Amino acid sequence: GNSVTQMEGPVTLSEEAFLTINCTYTATGYPSLFWYVQYPGEGLQLLLKATKADDKGSNKGFEATYRKETTSFHLEKGSVQVSDSAVYFCALKRETSGSRLTFGEGTQLTVNP
Amino acid sequence: EAGVTQFPSHSVIEKGQTVTLRCDPISGHDNLYWYRRVMGKEIKFLLHFVKESKQDESGMPNNRFLAERTGGTYSTLKVQPAELEDSGVYFCASSRKSSYNSPLHFGNGTRLTVT
Repeated sequence: GNSVTQMEGPVTLSEEAFLTINCTYTATGYPSLFWYVQYPGEGLQLLLKATKADDKGSNKGFEATYRKETTSFHLEKGSVQVSDSAVYFCALKRETSGSRLTFGEGTQLTVNP
Repeated sequence: EAGVTQFPSHSVIEKGQTVTLRCDPISGHDNLYWYRRVMGKEIKFLLHFVKESKQDESGMPNNRFLAERTGGTYSTLKVQPAELEDSGVYFCASSRKSSYNSPLHFGNGTRLTVT
């Protein structure tokens, strides 16, 4: 079946540090891949997505590249801010599943000033 | 356009009691989904409505959970009787279509604590 594995958290960084949150997936075919973010007290928001191999999704300084050879979609940001503190979820969607998403466990990121 | 709204935002109940969660989707969205995140684990799919019909309820954990969407507008998720392992955050999402390219819009979630 489909599954998503994220690096274990929580992650604590200082402001302006480099961020990587690892995500690998298991799925047949060619799923679309997503990163969602949940800021404190808010709902899940789509951060970025990629729909085919070698696509790069980007938003708000975050990037992730769809790597089919390593079945990965790692999230990166060159310089994090305190306002990036949130829980980040990697997810996938398969065409045969319609709009249903399969999520990873989430990674809590805390950025200290 | 109002987003997906969930009530209550928090609920604390004792084991054995009943709780009903409510979700109001974005107006015009025929598709409504329930997900939950238990104890910091992954967010798991519970079920999917298309209008008032259950399209897929394969993620419902057991018969203590009952979801309804009478009239195809808002939905309720009832847990009766609640158990300790039901604690977690319950998310609702809606989409205009159920197609692969149709984006999901999530609510803020209901945090349920069973003591």
